[in-house]
Amino acid sequence: DIVMTQTPLSSPVTLGQPASISCRSSQSLVHSDGNTYLSWLQQRPGQPPRTLIYKISNRFSGVPDRFSGSGAGTDFTLKISRVEAEDVGVYYCMQATQFPQTFGQGTKVEIK
Amino acid sequence: EVHLLESGGGLVQPGESLRLSCAASGFSFRVQAMSWVRQAPGKGLEWVSAIVGSSATYYADSVKGRFTISRDNSKNTLYLQMNSLRAEDTAVYYCASRTSGYWGQGTLVTVPS
Repeated sequence: DIVMTQTPLSSPVTLGQPASISCRSSQSLVHSDGNTYLSWLQQRPGQPPRTLIYKISNRFSGVPDRFSGSGAGTDFTLKISRVEAEDVGVYYCMQATQFPQTFGQGTKVEIK
Repeated sequence: EVHLLESGGGLVQPGESLRLSCAASGFSFRVQAMSWVRQAPGKGLEWVSAIVGSSATYYADSVKGRFTISRDNSKNTLYLQMNSLRAEDTAVYYCASRTSGYWGQGTLVTVPS
């Protein structure tokens, strides 16, 4: 199974300041079809998960442009350029390149 | 607008069965690989099962032999038949498109210990 490791697990941030979350996979996430199925999910308190970024760097419909994704192979990053109050929640990286589909442990973003 | 609406959750006793449904609308359901993902209370996300095309199915080791995923493309509906339920199956179950980013609201399954 591909293990997804996120750092940090907790990220207290000041409103208006940037935040960054890293995700490392135990194997390359490049699929045989050439795509890299690495997504970032946001889960606000009491809400279902919501896709922010898919295939490393593609912003999902309706996602503000302060969210961006980057990386390749086994190392990936989610960046929030300026954190807003509504960004509080848990963020997960997820790989769908190989079965079983696996998730990172989650990073809790909270306001200082 | 895309909607995934799960139903069928509830409180069941250990060893009993339950069938979850996920009604899809607003996208080409029949061409999408679909997954079930669960989240135990206070825990992270755990993939349960997926179906690719009409018949290729995949399962987490923890549910293999007890759960069955299926789909009815004529009804735009995904199913999860859950048998021999255990306390550790207690979770909110979400249906999601495997790679295109859509998630449902979830349905809670509770199996007391």
